[in-house]
Amino acid sequence: DIQMTQSPSSLSASLGDRITITCRANQSISNYLNWYQHKPGKAPKLLISPPFTMGSGVPMRFRGSGSGTDFTLTITSLQAEDFATYYCQQNFHTPWTFGQGTKVEIK
Amino acid sequence: EVRLVNSGGGLGRPGGSLSISCAATGFTVSDNYFTWVRQAPGMGLEWVAGIYRGYNTFYADSVRGRFTISRDISRNTVHLQIKGLRDDDTAIYYCARTVMTPEDYYYYMDVWGEGSTVFVSS
Repeated sequence: DIQMTQSPSSLSASLGDRITITCRANQSISNYLNWYQHKPGKAPKLLISPPFTMGSGVPMRFRGSGSGTDFTLTITSLQAEDFATYYCQQNFHTPWTFGQGTKVEIK
Repeated sequence: EVRLVNSGGGLGRPGGSLSISCAATGFTVSDNYFTWVRQAPGMGLEWVAGIYRGYNTFYADSVRGRFTISRDISRNTVHLQIKGLRDDDTAIYYCARTVMTPEDYYYYMDVWGEGSTVFVSS
């Protein structure tokens, strides 16, 4: 199975901050990577699909990059509604696998 | 409105069976692929099962032989049947419509149900 590792596992940031979350695969997955946002009690929400296509209604402050084994999700100016847990997920091979998540909290 | 509405789940006994479903509105299940993802208490998201690639079924090793994903086209619903319940099946189960891009075979989950809770306890 393809292992996905996110870093950091959590971070504290202030409104307006630029933050970057890293996702690393243990083998090349080309561009077969999605990013999701998940808030407690809610359904996960698609943020970015390959190759860095924004999900429906996703603000432009979310940006994805990378290929092969190393990927990043950047939020250019953190807003109040962005405090959530973020997951990367590879769809290169089944079983699809998620990173362990990065929880973004208010500083 | 395009939606997936969860039903089913609840309390199950170890070794028992449960079924959870997602009813689609605003689109037809016959034209789409689907995924089930779960989140155990305090844990992250875990891919469980999917219908992809010519409507073939795929399963995580931890559930293969116990879980069955299916589509009921007449009811426009997706099902996940769970047999041989184990304590570690306790989780919120999400269904998701899964899109495949025809050129590169990228898959992504764009519409999600709100989740069904499965709690396994004796």
